[in-house]
Amino acid sequence: GAVVSQHPSRVICKSGTSVKIECRSLDFQATTMFWYRQFPKQSLMLMATSNEGSKATYEQGVEKDKFLINHASLTLSTLTVTSAHPEDSSFYICSASTGTVFNYGYTFGSGTRLTVV
Amino acid sequence: DAKTTQPNSMESNEEEPVHLPCNHSTISGTDYIHWYRQLPSQGPEYVIHGLTSNVNNRMASLAIAEDRKSSTLILHRATLRDAAVYYCILRDGDSSYKLIFGSGTRLLVRP
Repeated sequence: GAVVSQHPSRVICKSGTSVKIECRSLDFQATTMFWYRQFPKQSLMLMATSNEGSKATYEQGVEKDKFLINHASLTLSTLTVTSAHPEDSSFYICSASTGTVFNYGYTFGSGTRLTVV
Repeated sequence: DAKTTQPNSMESNEEEPVHLPCNHSTISGTDYIHWYRQLPSQGPEYVIHGLTSNVNNRMASLAIAEDRKSSTLILHRATLRDAAVYYCILRDGDSSYKLIFGSGTRLLVRP
């Protein structure tokens, strides 16, 4: 089945530094990938939609200059958290869509737990 | 975005069937009903999805009301590994294909 690999699974960084999270579709091409953030005991919140070869579409309230998304190929999207602060500590999850327009299934990565100290 | 309503939590005994309800009264004609589940510290896992007809797969069954305003995810024999948060989601009816998560139902399975 479709597999989405997310790396790293855990990262700790110092406040003010930037962190890059990778999301790869291993056995399929994903023209569209999605990035979510999840705080403890809360649901997933969609941050942005990543489209291969074009600019990402950010949800309302998500700072595009802070959360840089690059989708340079059909199998790789990256999320860079720039100038991270403790409040950016969260569980970040990517997903990619497979299938036809009217039969979309979504595969999720295993998530990246970011801790900013 | 069309929204869904689910109970916050449900409990079940191991090896018994579980019926997880979901209300989506504002569903549009082209919205697919998706179900995903999430175990602690993991990304969500696809369970099942459907449009109008009931659906079955190796994991579960999806029963969709005739008016499509509600649906039920059926786990035929709950195991301890089924303990998770289950999300009922309407795939965005326009061309964006986004999945917007609600609060989900936390399923507890008693041994």
